[in-house]
Amino acid sequence: AQKITQTQPGMFVQEKEAVTLDCTYDTSDQSYGLFWYKQPSSGEMIFLIYQGSYDEQNATEGRYSLNFQKARKSANLVISASQLGDSAMYFCAMSAGYGGATNKLIFGTGTLLAVQP
Amino acid sequence: DVKVTQSSRYLVKRTGEKVFLECVQDMDHENMFWYRQDPGLGLRLIYFSYDVKMKEKGDIPEGYSVSREKKERFSLILESASTNQTSMYLCASGQGVFGYTFGSGTRLTVV
Repeated sequence: AQKITQTQPGMFVQEKEAVTLDCTYDTSDQSYGLFWYKQPSSGEMIFLIYQGSYDEQNATEGRYSLNFQKARKSANLVISASQLGDSAMYFCAMSAGYGGATNKLIFGTGTLLAVQP
Repeated sequence: DVKVTQSSRYLVKRTGEKVFLECVQDMDHENMFWYRQDPGLGLRLIYFSYDVKMKEKGDIPEGYSVSREKKERFSLILESASTNQTSMYLCASGQGVFGYTFGSGTRLTVV
């Protein structure tokens, strides 16, 4: 069965510092995709970054990068130069099947990040 | 701009009522999903659909059913609402590398 684990219920980071949010996953599929979403207090789910299981390079999107370690089954999100607006809940998610065919998209329990001035 | 629209932002229903939550997407996506979100539990998948009239159970389908008669519309049905179904319900559509787009959610309270 597929599973996403986020072991950090909450984290603090100082403004302008970098922070790493942990995510490990479990799947028997060879082809899968990994996602990170941000959910601010307004409740909307904002797509941040995607990593395919066959991608050799770590994905980056602006200040977000995904530290993908396939052998360890981890997909940590790194936020560089934290800003106050980064305070939110962050969810790691996985979809099996490259290209996102008819497969489930499952989520972890989330990490609440608080950026301190 | 792509959109996933959920018909109600807040809903209050009585125990035993039949409840319909509607979700419409304008992106011609084949995959659509229904989740419930509860504190400390993250998003749990209730049902998903990969084509019209096709559906698959997620991790917590008990007490729920779904309907997808048209590609753009995916409905979640609570056959007989119970207080333990009080939650935030999120609909999403999309596929693969392009990510998944979420609706703004429906906060359902069953009294």
